[in-house]
Amino acid sequence: KNQVEQSPQSLIILEGKNCTLQCNYTVSPFSNLRWYKQDTGRGPVSLTIMTFSENTKSNGRYTATLDADTKQSSLHITASQLSDSASYICVVTVNDMRFGAGTRLTVKP
Amino acid sequence: DGGITQSPKYLFRKEGQNVTLSCEQNLNHDAMYWYRQDPGQGLRLIYYSQIVNDFQKGDIAEGYSVSREKKESFPLTVTSAQKNPTAFYLCASGGVNRGNTEAFFGQGTRLTVV
Repeated sequence: KNQVEQSPQSLIILEGKNCTLQCNYTVSPFSNLRWYKQDTGRGPVSLTIMTFSENTKSNGRYTATLDADTKQSSLHITASQLSDSASYICVVTVNDMRFGAGTRLTVKP
Repeated sequence: DGGITQSPKYLFRKEGQNVTLSCEQNLNHDAMYWYRQDPGQGLRLIYYSQIVNDFQKGDIAEGYSVSREKKESFPLTVTSAQKNPTAFYLCASGGVNRGNTEAFFGQGTRLTVV
């Protein structure tokens, strides 16, 4: 069973709308939890990083939250843009990086 | 992204041949990783290395081999034993820089078996 589960698998929203992506994990404790954005055919690029003791981190229109009690993290995207269309991957680092399968976000005009 | 370089960007291999993918980093990171990504799927860990001359199998190590003779380099060999090697391969490195943990990915190598 994957130690990092993401939902939904895919999501389509209209430009300008907000959305929230979910990440549930079973590994604990961990060094950090990251959210990455991966454009098709490219390497993932880091959006946010949180340590075990942090519960929120923002990067522009991206805000990540972490609830260590429920072992859940979410990535909230505000005022979506067409360029937000990508895969968003949750990664939990213990001794190695454990990836979720990602959420494929499509922003339509 | 960062100082990690994968080469080549595209690679074609004939069935039955071994092929080696390069990954080099100048970030002084101790840890390096290889992942495989298939269309529409998430990344899966092939091998990782926490220190020079040591590496560990990931979830899908069969048909692959690695070496870590230098801190900067972590090449991945896709052997003929790998039944379905066509995929997108990503290398990553991770470490601590000025007290902050960081991790960067290369731009990937797309391997196609012809």
